[in-house]
Amino acid sequence: GENVEQHPSTLSVQEGDSAVIKCTYSDSASNYFPWYKQELGKGPQLIIDIRSNVGEKKDQRIAVTLNKTAKHFSLHITETQPEDSAVYFCAASMFGDQFYFGTGTSLTVIP
Amino acid sequence: DAGVIQSPRHEVTEMGQEVTLRCKPISGHDYLFWYRQTMMRGLELLIYFNNNVPIDDSGMPEDRFSAKMPNASFSTLKIQPSEPRDSAVYFCASTMLGSPLHFGNGTRLTVT
Repeated sequence: GENVEQHPSTLSVQEGDSAVIKCTYSDSASNYFPWYKQELGKGPQLIIDIRSNVGEKKDQRIAVTLNKTAKHFSLHITETQPEDSAVYFCAASMFGDQFYFGTGTSLTVIP
Repeated sequence: DAGVIQSPRHEVTEMGQEVTLRCKPISGHDYLFWYRQTMMRGLELLIYFNNNVPIDDSGMPEDRFSAKMPNASFSTLKIQPSEPRDSAVYFCASTMLGSPLHFGNGTRLTVT
């Protein structure tokens, strides 16, 4: 089955700096890649997603890039703010009925 | 839309007791997933349903775990008997093909 690896496991940045989280996947049939943000005491919430027919997608300070050849995708957060502090998960899906998650990145934005 | 609704939010029980976790998926979603989250193992898929039918239960750790989906708007995850190592946060999530996966806020289970 699909295997998703996520790095780094922890990340600390100064407020205003950028944060980058990287994921790799193993199955070239995966075609949908969502990113989730999990705040303390809550379930993971979708923040951005990308499909395999697109190389990059942006939503305000958040962007995701996808390299199908290398089978990796990344989350970029610019101008980080303290409220961006959370655990972020990447995931990969082939048919939309099974989702394979990375192990999570704990992001801390230092004011 | 109220989102995925889970109950209870917190459950504390003694080893050996039966525990039942409940989930109401988003209306119209025909896939429902149960996940377990721990520090050591991250998010683990336990079981998922399509149109109320269990499709893959290979993640269910033992026979002590069982899940049902009697109708499109309700699912339960039962642990009987519970053990301290079952302590975790259990998430329910739902989706429909072509849509993102939506999670509930989880049930934090503590077994003493």
